[in-house]
Amino acid sequence: DAKTTQPPSMDCAEGRAANLPCNHSTISGNEYVYWYRQIHSQGPQYIIHGLKNNETNEMASLIITEDRKSSTLILPHATLRDTAVYYCIVRPAAGNEKLTFGTGTRLTIIP
Amino acid sequence: DSGVTQTPKHLITATGQRVTLRCSPRSGDLSVYWYQQSLDQGLQFLIQYYNGEERAKGNILERFSAQQFPDLHSELNLSSLELGDSALYFCASSANQETQYFGPGTRLLVL
Repeated sequence: DAKTTQPPSMDCAEGRAANLPCNHSTISGNEYVYWYRQIHSQGPQYIIHGLKNNETNEMASLIITEDRKSSTLILPHATLRDTAVYYCIVRPAAGNEKLTFGTGTRLTIIP
Repeated sequence: DSGVTQTPKHLITATGQRVTLRCSPRSGDLSVYWYQQSLDQGLQFLIQYYNGEERAKGNILERFSAQQFPDLHSELNLSSLELGDSALYFCASSANQETQYFGPGTRLLVL
């Protein structure tokens, strides 16, 4: 599985957009970018995933660069409940189905 | 709520003992995954079952075993417990080879 690099921590003001970067320069053509978050020892929560195109759902937007070597997760209007550890994971579409979690980014939303 | 349930929520036991953790996947999901999260190791994949059959193994100790039953629920058995086995144990399920949804976890404390 391709490795990912994320900043260990970030702060964001409540109500502002939180932009979380992830580098995955060794990503292969058949690998997806997944984002999960974990709020204080709860089970990891799926946020969004994508292959090539930008994706948006009710929780967040995922922007993937054209060369697919990096991506950004955007939480458009951060709330205090978005304080969590965010994991960027690269994973093949089929075959090796496990998720390999790194250390993630600890996002703190500041009131 | 992810739809994945795990019991018990908390478990306190002594070294040398054996425990069983239970996971009920989301309705219709055939794949079940077990992960361990300890303070020093982060979230690590243990084992995956698909429709009753073992599909993949990760960093699972020989003292640990799992199975998936015909009704698709899964159990993770931990035996000869050591202090270092204290951790959060998460179960996840998926309907296809893409998104995994995690349960709330079982917190195991070995004294």
